[in-house]
Amino acid sequence: QKEVEQDPGPLSVPEGAIVSLNCTYSNSAFQYFMWYRQYSRKGPELLMYTYSSGNKEDGRFTAQVDKSSKYISLFIRDSQPSDSATYLCAFSGNTGKLIFGQGTTLQVKP
Amino acid sequence: NAGVMQNPRHLVRRRGQEARLRCSPMKGHSHVYWYRQLPEEGLKFMVYLQKENIIDESGMPKERFSAEFPKEGPSILRIQQVVRGDSAAYFCASWAQGPTGELFFGEGSRLTVL
Repeated sequence: QKEVEQDPGPLSVPEGAIVSLNCTYSNSAFQYFMWYRQYSRKGPELLMYTYSSGNKEDGRFTAQVDKSSKYISLFIRDSQPSDSATYLCAFSGNTGKLIFGQGTTLQVKP
Repeated sequence: NAGVMQNPRHLVRRRGQEARLRCSPMKGHSHVYWYRQLPEEGLKFMVYLQKENIIDESGMPKERFSAEFPKEGPSILRIQQVVRGDSAAYFCASWAQGPTGELFFGEGSRLTVL
């Protein structure tokens, strides 16, 4: 079993749609849960970060963590063409070392 | 993430040559991570360094790859005798340490081996 599983997509949605991105993990030692966004040929940038089960909202983005099910999600409301990118879930313990999912490529069509 | 500087951004090498990739972390950060990203794949951890120390090199290939983070100057990822399979984007990230897992990434160095 892989330590992190993420649906690679690609995912194509119309502008304004709600997008749901998901990852599962198997390592119970993970304490921090993150979503990174990576535009083509750019470095990843941190989008959302959380360390507890539940929801965390930031503008159009909501990160959801369910530690009991070892499942995290990222929801994007009112998606925009500028949201077109690859989204990577990431997990870490307390050393800063991140384990990434494969990434889901999202395209939002105008 | 503009604070993490990587160079060169693009590097072309022929098989058997050496590649050196450099990374200057954000100001005040003393922890550096190197990740490799193959086409259509996620980022794979390679090595974690603090100043003058290798903390975790569990993701480094056993041969041809080495990394250092000297007391002065940037961190360097060195690949000797490159092969075509080394073609990838290599990302450096820096961390200030603390309770969060937030890493700041550079723009990457894209290595092409001919």
